[in-house]
Amino acid sequence: DIVMTQSPDSLAVFLGERATIHCRSSQSLLSTSTYRNHLAWYQQRPGQSPKLLISWATTRESGVPARFSGSGTGTDFTLSISNLQAEDVAVYYCQHYYHAPPYTFGQGTRLEI
Amino acid sequence: QVQLQESGPGLVKPSETLSLTCSIPGGSITNSDYSWGWIRQSPGKGLEWIGSLSYAGSPIYHPSLKGRVTVSIDSSNNQFSLQVNSLTAADTAVYYCATGLRLGLFESWGQGTLVTVSS
Repeated sequence: DIVMTQSPDSLAVFLGERATIHCRSSQSLLSTSTYRNHLAWYQQRPGQSPKLLISWATTRESGVPARFSGSGTGTDFTLSISNLQAEDVAVYYCQHYYHAPPYTFGQGTRLEI
Repeated sequence: QVQLQESGPGLVKPSETLSLTCSIPGGSITNSDYSWGWIRQSPGKGLEWIGSLSYAGSPIYHPSLKGRVTVSIDSSNNQFSLQVNSLTAADTAVYYCATGLRLGLFESWGQGTLVTVSS
């Protein structure tokens, strides 16, 4: 199984500042045929279902604010949230969708203001 | 985005079988562009993928659950379903159905349904 490890487990950031969450996979998620990374980021606000923010490591979903950005390749990835807003309080998960089964998620990073 | 709605019992006894369905109002389970899956989240814990399938494909399952779970499509009712047998307390979780244009990438999620395994 591909193990996904996020860091930190939790962080607190001031409003208007930048939050950075890291995700490391135990195997490369870069497809050698398509040169795309099979890595997604999800946001789960309190009491809600997860919401897909970013796919292919860097592609923001429609309607997701430009404050959210994804970067990285291979085994190391980052989710950055600039100009932090109150509504960004959530748990953030990375997930691979490469060479299943199983598809696995990181343990989650809790973001607080 | 595709709307999804889970339904099923909120309380199941140990050793029994859980059956959940996911309906797709406004969408079609026979749309071969989409894959369909189930994910669960134990209380206060993270996300665990259970299984997925596409309309024309064979289901795939988490190895730790293989043999206990079945994911299937019910075309006549425009829904897909999850069965988990030999339940234990460890199966207590919020169960989500989800879908996306690529197997394993979950673009739309249901609201989730809490299933408690207890006698």
